[in-house]
Amino acid sequence: AQSVTQLGSHVSVSEGALVLLRCNYSSSVPPYLFWYVQYPNQGLQLLLKYTTGATLVKGINGFEAEFKKSETSFHLTKPSAHMSDAAEYFCAVSVGATNKLIFGTGTLLAVQP
Amino acid sequence: IAGITQAPTSQILAAGRRMTLRCTQDMRHNAMYWYRQDLGLGLRLIHYSNTAGTTGKGEVPDGYSVSRANTDDFPLTLASAVPSQTSVYFCASSEDRNQPQHFGDGTRLSIL
Repeated sequence: AQSVTQLGSHVSVSEGALVLLRCNYSSSVPPYLFWYVQYPNQGLQLLLKYTTGATLVKGINGFEAEFKKSETSFHLTKPSAHMSDAAEYFCAVSVGATNKLIFGTGTLLAVQP
Repeated sequence: IAGITQAPTSQILAAGRRMTLRCTQDMRHNAMYWYRQDLGLGLRLIHYSNTAGTTGKGEVPDGYSVSRANTDDFPLTLASAVPSQTSVYFCASSEDRNQPQHFGDGTRLSIL
């Protein structure tokens, strides 16, 4: 069975600091991996996705993630946090012939001035 | 602007009542989904539909039903609401399987 683990339900960084949100997945077949962002009282928006090919994926708002098969990880990073990055971030995996997304429990990112 | 429309945006409902949450998309996506979001649990799939005329059960289908009579609409029905169904419900769609899903803004449902 597929699963996603997000380490750290709350992460706090200073404005301008590196953002690192951790995601590990479990899958018996090559996964499709996604990061979504949710702002208060809104739905989820796609940040980036990994399907096949290049393992470093660039997304919107300066975020990127690297697929590391050996570590079963897909961590999300941004070199310099902005106040507008404060939101909840969800990692998700979609596997094989299904189109079901399995979500992690989310990481709430706070950005301190 | 193309996207997903959910209605109502919020609702307070007495236990035992029947409720239908509406979801409409104008992107002509084949696949549609219903999730519930609960604190500390992330999003969990309730039901999905790969194409008009077909539906399938997700992770937490009990107490919910769906229909997919056409491409655009995917209503979610609670036949007899219970307090444990208090949650935020999100509808989503994707062009095809393994494609990114687009989400509506959610329906906040409280069952008393």
